[in-house]
Amino acid sequence: QKEVEQNSGPLSVPEGAIASLNCTYSDRGSQSFFWYRQYSGKSPELIMSIYSNGDKEDGRFTAQLNKASQYVSLLIRDSQPSDSATYLCAVNRGGGNKLTFGTGTQLKVEL
Amino acid sequence: ETGVTQTPRHLVMGMTNKKSLKCEQHLGHNAMYWYKQSAKKPLELMFVYNFKEQTENNSVPSRFSPECPNSSHLFLHLHTLQPEDSALYLCASSLEASGRAVGIQYFGAGTRLSVL
Repeated sequence: QKEVEQNSGPLSVPEGAIASLNCTYSDRGSQSFFWYRQYSGKSPELIMSIYSNGDKEDGRFTAQLNKASQYVSLLIRDSQPSDSATYLCAVNRGGGNKLTFGTGTQLKVEL
Repeated sequence: ETGVTQTPRHLVMGMTNKKSLKCEQHLGHNAMYWYKQSAKKPLELMFVYNFKEQTENNSVPSRFSPECPNSSHLFLHLHTLQPEDSALYLCASSLEASGRAVGIQYFGAGTRLSVL
């Protein structure tokens, strides 16, 4: 089992729709969870961080964490073509500051 | 601009060359990281430095040699590389404090390395 698992996609959604990106992780000791966005040829940039069970909202983005199910998701409301990118899920390992990344989900927002 | 600067942005080297990648952060962070990103693979953590001390070497071959002279600068010295080492090398930094949640890592733009 991969430490952090994401569907590689591509996930295609029409403009204005809700995009739902999912991530599962294997280390029950993980406490910190991050979503990064990476445009082609660019470096990852942080979208959301979440540390507690439940939802965390920031503008059009909502992160959802369920530690019991070892599941973290990212919802993007009113998707825009500029949201087209690869979204990386990252989880800290062993309670320290080492992050394990998933392979990323490619999102395509179509006009 | 994330406050993490990497140079050079592109590097082409032969297998017998020696080169160095440089990373500098202007964020007052105390932890720095090297990652390797290859096509179709997840970001791979290579090295972690906390307060200038190396705390993680993720089974990286000795042809990669990191150096962290202070909390703001991180180098990756390269020698006798193989073609499969061609990848995007990313530096990141974060602010860590004991008893607090893991700090957010901010990435530099990366160095695209090609080994011929």
